[in-house]
Amino acid sequence: EAQVTQNPRYLITVTGKKLTVTCSQNMNHEYMSWYRQDPGLGLRQIYYSMNVEVTDKGDVPEGYKVSRKEKRNFPLILESPSPNQTSLYFCASSLSRRGTDTQYFGPGTRLTVL
Amino acid sequence: GQNIDQPTEMTATEGAIVQINCTYQTSGFNGLFWYQQHAGEAPTFLSYNVLDGLEEKGRFSSFLSRSKGYSYLLLKELQMKDSASYLCAVRDDNTDKLIFGTGTRLQVFP
Repeated sequence: EAQVTQNPRYLITVTGKKLTVTCSQNMNHEYMSWYRQDPGLGLRQIYYSMNVEVTDKGDVPEGYKVSRKEKRNFPLILESPSPNQTSLYFCASSLSRRGTDTQYFGPGTRLTVL
Repeated sequence: GQNIDQPTEMTATEGAIVQINCTYQTSGFNGLFWYQQHAGEAPTFLSYNVLDGLEEKGRFSSFLSRSKGYSYLLLKELQMKDSASYLCAVRDDNTDKLIFGTGTRLQVFP
């Protein structure tokens, strides 16, 4: 089954404790992206990757890191989480960044930083 | 600047028709997407418009007018399971980004 998976689905942590949210897709997609979703603000892009070893900042990259060592995986790293990073996070992938290519979303990770 | 506007909330009755509007202002345009998102779940793709006109897909239709920066999603024969948020998103071909509106929360009542 074609899908985007994320782990963990739920995480409660404390300020300053490094964490990684994994994302994996099995559709051989080139383009992968991380979003955060907050009430009243909609989905905002954090980082994206056009292909292996190619990553770039989205609209809200501060406090986050990513890597793309393999085509299928795109982990999101929070080196020193803070309470304002409490949010619902979605990983997404698409064949490319072309206009017609649909983005497929993972199930989401609900992160709470105390 | 970049801006996408859609109503925050709408209500409708089972079996009825509802139209969710979306207006946008972006520096470039390379297509408009509609996604459905149930509470706490991932957005799922509904439709894509890049040319003016109406695209029909079963009970759902989506319309685009590029000159007016306007789209709507039309849902017919509403069912309870259609209660969800509907996200309008525009691909800006200058930045190549997909910009999302804040979503319209639709509640369908019996």
